[in-house]
Amino acid sequence: LAKTTQPISMDSYEGQEVNITCSHNNIATNDYITWYQQFPSQGPRFIIQGYKTKVTNEVASLFIPADRKSSTLSLPRVSLSDTAVYYCLVGDIKRAGSYQLTFGKGTKLSVIP
Amino acid sequence: KAGVTQTPRYLIKTRGQQVTLSCSPISGHRSVSWYQQTPGQGLQFLFEYFSETQRNKGNFPGRFSGRQFSNSRSEMNVSTLELGDSALYLCASSLRQASYEQYFGPGTRLTVT
Repeated sequence: LAKTTQPISMDSYEGQEVNITCSHNNIATNDYITWYQQFPSQGPRFIIQGYKTKVTNEVASLFIPADRKSSTLSLPRVSLSDTAVYYCLVGDIKRAGSYQLTFGKGTKLSVIP
Repeated sequence: KAGVTQTPRYLIKTRGQQVTLSCSPISGHRSVSWYQQTPGQGLQFLFEYFSETQRNKGNFPGRFSGRQFSNSRSEMNVSTLELGDSALYLCASSLRQASYEQYFGPGTRLTVT
């Protein structure tokens, strides 16, 4: 399993764009990058998943450079309700063998009014 | 579609007792995974069930067990409870086995006294 490194915490003002970067230097060829969001006392919520270049959905964008050794989750115009912990996961989504979804410590995003 | 449901939401037990937690996955999802979340250890994978068979297992003692029924509903059992078992227990469902796109329930908050 590829190890991931994220900032422990970030602060942002409401209305700003927030970019959270995840480093995964030993990502394997078949690995995908997945991001989850978790509010206090709730289960994580799947946000976005990608393999290369850029993926966008109604919630966020995911930017992955050509070498795939890092990825950036971009949240446009954050609001107070985006205050949460964001987790970056890396792994082979198509391998149905033994695996463990490893969440790590995540990045605690605090949005300030 | 209804989301993942977990019962009960809160539970208080005494050391040495046993407990059973229940999880109903999203309709059509055949995989159910269980996680333990504590402030110190974060989110840790317990095990995954797919088509009524345990497919993957994390590094937890044998006191933690589970099962899955033919309708994909799952139960998790913890025997001989210890104080350290106090945690938020999360269940997640997915369409495929060993999927990185999982949908989590609200969790069961277990307190062991």
